[in-house]
Amino acid sequence: RKEVEQDPGPFNVPEGATVAFNCTYSNSASQSFFWYRQDCRKEPKLLMSVYSSGNEDGRFTAQLNRASQYISLLIRDSKLSDSATYLCAVNIGNGGSQGNLIFGKGTKLSVKP
Amino acid sequence: NAGVTQTPKFQVLKTGQSMTLQCAQDMNHNSMYWYRQDPGMGLRLIYYSASEGTTDKGEVPNGYNVSRLNKREFSLRLESAAPSQTSVYFCASSESGYFSQPKETQYFGPGTRLLVL
Repeated sequence: RKEVEQDPGPFNVPEGATVAFNCTYSNSASQSFFWYRQDCRKEPKLLMSVYSSGNEDGRFTAQLNRASQYISLLIRDSKLSDSATYLCAVNIGNGGSQGNLIFGKGTKLSVKP
Repeated sequence: NAGVTQTPKFQVLKTGQSMTLQCAQDMNHNSMYWYRQDPGMGLRLIYYSASEGTTDKGEVPNGYNVSRLNKREFSLRLESAAPSQTSVYFCASSESGYFSQPKETQYFGPGTRLLVL
């Protein structure tokens, strides 16, 4: 099993739709989780951090399920501007020592008019 | 604040040539990273520097060397470029590398697109 896995998509959805992405991780000691957004030919930018039971930021909700070792990203009321690739990242350290982020390969979202 | 800056933005090399990719951050971060991103492969860590004066190998270090010049700057060197090193290279930085605080994460530079012929 790869350390961090994502469905590559593409997810093609109409404007206004709700879409959800999952990201599974293999290291049960991982403590920190992130969702990044990457636009075409641009650098990844932090979208949301996920630290405990999840968090919400406007139309975006991130959830963590430690028992099943996955995080999810829910986007409500999709906008054309949400079209991008969404990367999940997981800290492979155990919180007590310095670690690195392992990135998934990304899920491509295309929102259509 | 400029955040993380990288130079050059684009570069074309011939096989066997050498070059250095420059990265600087103005956020007073301790940790810095070099990634490469290839289609279908995602972001892969080449080298990282947990703090000034230290460097460590990542997932794909072969063919590369790094220098943490000071707290702000972290350079990546290709001694003898190969076509397999054609990629987009991203530099990133983070405050401590522990990622234990809610707002700590990695911040990326705009990338360097490298083509090796």
